[in-house]
Amino acid sequence: GENVEQHPSTLSVQEGDSAVIKCTYSDSASNYFPWYKQELGKGPQLIIDIRSNVGEKKDQRIAVTLNKTAKHFSLHITETQPEDSAVYFCAAKDDYKLSFGAGTTVTVRA
Amino acid sequence: GAGVSQSPSNKVTEKGKDVELRCDPISGHTALYWYRQSLGQGLEFLIYFQGNSAPDKSGLPSDRFSAERTGGSVSTLTIQRTQQEDSAVYLCASSHSPSGEETQYFGPGTRLLVL
Repeated sequence: GENVEQHPSTLSVQEGDSAVIKCTYSDSASNYFPWYKQELGKGPQLIIDIRSNVGEKKDQRIAVTLNKTAKHFSLHITETQPEDSAVYFCAAKDDYKLSFGAGTTVTVRA
Repeated sequence: GAGVSQSPSNKVTEKGKDVELRCDPISGHTALYWYRQSLGQGLEFLIYFQGNSAPDKSGLPSDRFSAERTGGSVSTLTIQRTQQEDSAVYLCASSHSPSGEETQYFGPGTRLLVL
């Protein structure tokens, strides 16, 4: 089955700086890679996703890159704000199942 | 429109009791998933329903866990003879179609505490 590893487990950044979270996956058949943001007491919310035929995607301050050869993908958040503080999960989808990374707790210091 | 809803939002039970957790998926979504999230952990797949097909139960941790989906809509996850290690957040998600790259939308979860 798919195995997704996520690093770092915690990340503290100064407001306005960038945050980068990296994930690797094991199954070359995986073709869809969503990122979820989970705030305290809430369910995960999709913030951005990337398909296997695309190398990079950007949505305002958030961008995701995918390297299928190396089987890794990354989330980039620029100009971080306090409301970006949350737990972020990467995932990889093979067929119908999503396999999740263990999560990154991001803290944005004011 | 309405998202995925789950009830109860919190559940405290005693060891050995049975619990039922409910999920109402987004209307029209044919695929429904249950996940478990233990404290500080990622999401662990439990079970998957797609239309009238037989569910994929490969993620259920023991035979104390079962789930059903009635009428292709509402789903109930049942945990029998609960143990303390069952304490976790149970998340439900639905998608329009499981094939390809359809987005899974999550509910707020049920926080289960087994004393």
